[in-house]
Amino acid sequence: QQQVKQSPQSLIVQKGGISIINCAYENTAFDYFPWYQQFPGKGPALLIAIRPDVSEKKEGRFTISFNKSAKQFSLHIMDSQPGDSATYFCAAYHRGGATNKLIFGTGTLLAVQP
Amino acid sequence: EAEVAQSPRYKITEKSQAVAFWCDPISGHATLYWYRQILGQGPELLVQFQDESVVDDSQLPKDRFSAERLKGVDSTLKIQPAELGDSAMYLCASSSGGLAELQYFGPGTRLTVT
Repeated sequence: QQQVKQSPQSLIVQKGGISIINCAYENTAFDYFPWYQQFPGKGPALLIAIRPDVSEKKEGRFTISFNKSAKQFSLHIMDSQPGDSATYFCAAYHRGGATNKLIFGTGTLLAVQP
Repeated sequence: EAEVAQSPRYKITEKSQAVAFWCDPISGHATLYWYRQILGQGPELLVQFQDESVVDDSQLPKDRFSAERLKGVDSTLKIQPAELGDSAMYLCASSSGGLAELQYFGPGTRLTVT
């Protein structure tokens, strides 16, 4: 119940195309859903995040779509650029009890071809 | 822009030796996290501090790993003795009290155990 399932494992997109990464969760106690971008040899950097009372959030070329009833959320990267090539992690924040915890998906390696 | 600092960036050690990693969180952030990220996977929480107190170390292999944050500011994670399976990226993150779900990551320490 604490897992966040992420797909696909890897993704190749042409420059200018749309990249779509999907995540699913089971635990309804999750109340914050961030996406992190990680370049090789670097730590994850927060990209965009959403709370479950909102169905969509857009920041520049990045959009999160959130389906609370299906317990799914996705990241859309519009007009994908070679500089977007990185590993993307979805995550879910569990708030409850004595500790609060950020649970990460397994990651998607995105390659944007010029 | 304030950042989480970590050192060393890379560490190669032999099996059975002791290693230590250091983290300096963003100034004013009361909560500090140590994560382990195995290649190709998402980060997994090892230990969480609130000021100088441990609030979650349920996933920390306590027979060989230890962590401290003596003055509630910087922190050290130690492994003794290191095993081959400990090869991974060790990430430190911090968050402020009001937005614990908003975690900022450092660049990580890449550990290779030979």
